Amino acid sequence: GAVVSQHPSWVICKSGTSVKIECRSLDFQATTMFWYRQFPKQSLMLMATSNEGSKATYEQGVEKDKFLINHASLTLSTLTVTSAHPEDSSFYICSAQGAWEETQYFGPGTRLLVL
Amino acid sequence: AQSVTQLDSQVPVFEEAPVELRCNYSSFVSVYLFWYVQYPNQGLQLLLKYTSAATLVKGINGFEAEFNKSQTSFHLRKPSVHISDTAEYFCAVGVFIFGQGTELSVKP
Repeated sequence: GAVVSQHPSWVICKSGTSVKIECRSLDFQATTMFWYRQFPKQSLMLMATSNEGSKATYEQGVEKDKFLINHASLTLSTLTVTSAHPEDSSFYICSAQGAWEETQYFGPGTRLLVL
Repeated sequence: AQSVTQLDSQVPVFEEAPVELRCNYSSFVSVYLFWYVQYPNQGLQLLLKYTSAATLVKGINGFEAEFNKSQTSFHLRKPSVHISDTAEYFCAVGVFIFGQGTELSVKP
């Protein structure tokens, strides 16, 4: 089946630093990738949708200058949390979707803790 | 706007008992409904999906779900649960509209 990886699986950083999270589709080409944020005991909140080679579309309330998304190839998308603060601590999950595909395949998630 | 409601936040059940996790959707613009499972500190894994081919959908791990248009429901069922089924379950409509999640806790 389709496999999506995320790296790192967890990261601890100091307030004010930037953190980059990678999302890779390992065995298929992902024309669209999604980035979600999940707080403890809550559902997934879509942050942004990115299509290969174009700018990401951010959901309302998500700061595009803080959460930089790059989808430079059909197998890789990155989320950079710039100038991270403790309130950015969360579980970030990506998913990938192939062309003409209704199913999205999720990565294992990245837990970010900002001290 | 579409929305999904999972009626139970927590469902405790004994091992080998049947279980039903309830999901209702508000409108059906999208033709796709999904159930996902999430184990602790992991991403979501697709259990099954409805794509209008059949109202009863069979998924992995012995789960199945029935699409009911008149009741706007897509409940997830398993006739006999295992300890390993303990996890969070999410119903979703379309690509990114998720329910609030149901924590299934299977006790010995």
